[in-house]
Amino acid sequence: EAEVAQSPRYKITEKSQAVAFWCDPISGHATLYWYRQILGQGPELLVQFQDESVVDDSQLPKDRFSAERLKGVDSTLKIQPAELGDSAMYLCASSYRAGGSYEQYFGPGTRLTVT
Amino acid sequence: GIQVEQSPPDLILQEGANSTLRCNFSDSVNNLQWFHQNPWGQLINLFYIPSGTKQNGRLSATTVATERYSLLYISSSQTTDSGVYFCAVPPGDSNYQLIWGAGTKLIIKP
Repeated sequence: EAEVAQSPRYKITEKSQAVAFWCDPISGHATLYWYRQILGQGPELLVQFQDESVVDDSQLPKDRFSAERLKGVDSTLKIQPAELGDSAMYLCASSYRAGGSYEQYFGPGTRLTVT
Repeated sequence: GIQVEQSPPDLILQEGANSTLRCNFSDSVNNLQWFHQNPWGQLINLFYIPSGTKQNGRLSATTVATERYSLLYISSSQTTDSGVYFCAVPPGDSNYQLIWGAGTKLIIKP
């Protein structure tokens, strides 16, 4: 069964350093999402791509976060510089059209710890 | 915007017990997903169920769209069922994005 791939699975970094996460969606899924999840809460959408275009990045802290999906397939999320408050789980999801709506599938996530 | 409420917030059961988790939403939706987040943090799709009933092994879900709720049933619970169960629906102005409930934390004791 096709899956969303993410790497790394775990990342420990010092504050003020740069960190990057990679996501490869399920083949054929045009829509890709990056979420951030604080322990005990639901996921928060950071950015949404349709093919290579950003559809929604209204919740992305653009002073330090950036995301790209240059060829409309895999994607990279970057944080520079990392802050202590960025410690969280970063989840990538992709979706395809199912009937009149879009069913999302999630990768295993990257657990980030900023020290 | 649309509100999603899940109940109960926490549930502790013995292995073998049955459980029912509820998701209420404040407006009509054309999509609802149930997810299980395991202790390692991965979100696993359980059901895509905008209406009607679906079953997958020991799990089943029912969405009554006209009454704006969905139920997730877990029968003969196993310790591997532990984790957090989320329901999520799209906001009225988008079919792409999801509004998430706060989740039900389920602990199955051996």
